[in-house]
Amino acid sequence: GQNIDQPTEMTATEGAIVQINCTYQTSGFNGLFWYQQHAGEAPTFLSYNVLDGLEEKGRFSSFLSRSKGYSYLLLKELQMKDSASYLCAVADSNYQLIWGAGTKLIIKP
Amino acid sequence: IAGITQAPTSQILAAGRRMTLRCTQDMRHNAMYWYRQDLGLGLRLIHYSNTAGTTGKGEVPDGYSVSRANTDDFPLTLASAVPSQTSVYFCASSDGDTPTDTQYFGPGTRLTVL
Repeated sequence: GQNIDQPTEMTATEGAIVQINCTYQTSGFNGLFWYQQHAGEAPTFLSYNVLDGLEEKGRFSSFLSRSKGYSYLLLKELQMKDSASYLCAVADSNYQLIWGAGTKLIIKP
Repeated sequence: IAGITQAPTSQILAAGRRMTLRCTQDMRHNAMYWYRQDLGLGLRLIHYSNTAGTTGKGEVPDGYSVSRANTDDFPLTLASAVPSQTSVYFCASSDGDTPTDTQYFGPGTRLTVL
């Protein structure tokens, strides 16, 4: 079966750095997405990785290792507005997205 | 530009009733999707459409039907609602030029079936 694993919940302090991990087992791989979802709102796109390595975009970076079936999202200089759920999704061999259950990130002052 | 709109925002429905969730996008995107989101589970694809006039089944299509008569609209119909269809429903669209294009989501419809 296809499976995406993420921690259910994480807590971090404002101004700090947090790393949210995602491991996957899918039938084929055509890229990995990270989305942000604030409570009661729609998911919004953060990043897309298809090649190994680190992609940096402002305070957010995303890393991919295809051989390990592993990705992480790194958030720096955390702000209270970063409190949200972070969803990992993998495009499988049919290019359909398989979604993780999401990681709820709680930021404390 | 509104992006993607969904209606209604929320709905309480008696079991056995028919219900259509509406989704409209003004981005001229080719591909559209319907997902359901349940607590503790990832988004699950119900149906999709790669272009107007075509539809396909996703991971959890049973009990749902869709149509894509034009580019902008992609309604989702529950023919006879059951309590297990209580969920938050998201419509999404993507340009569709490449299969891994970013998906843009509507605000969601919260549906409760009693």
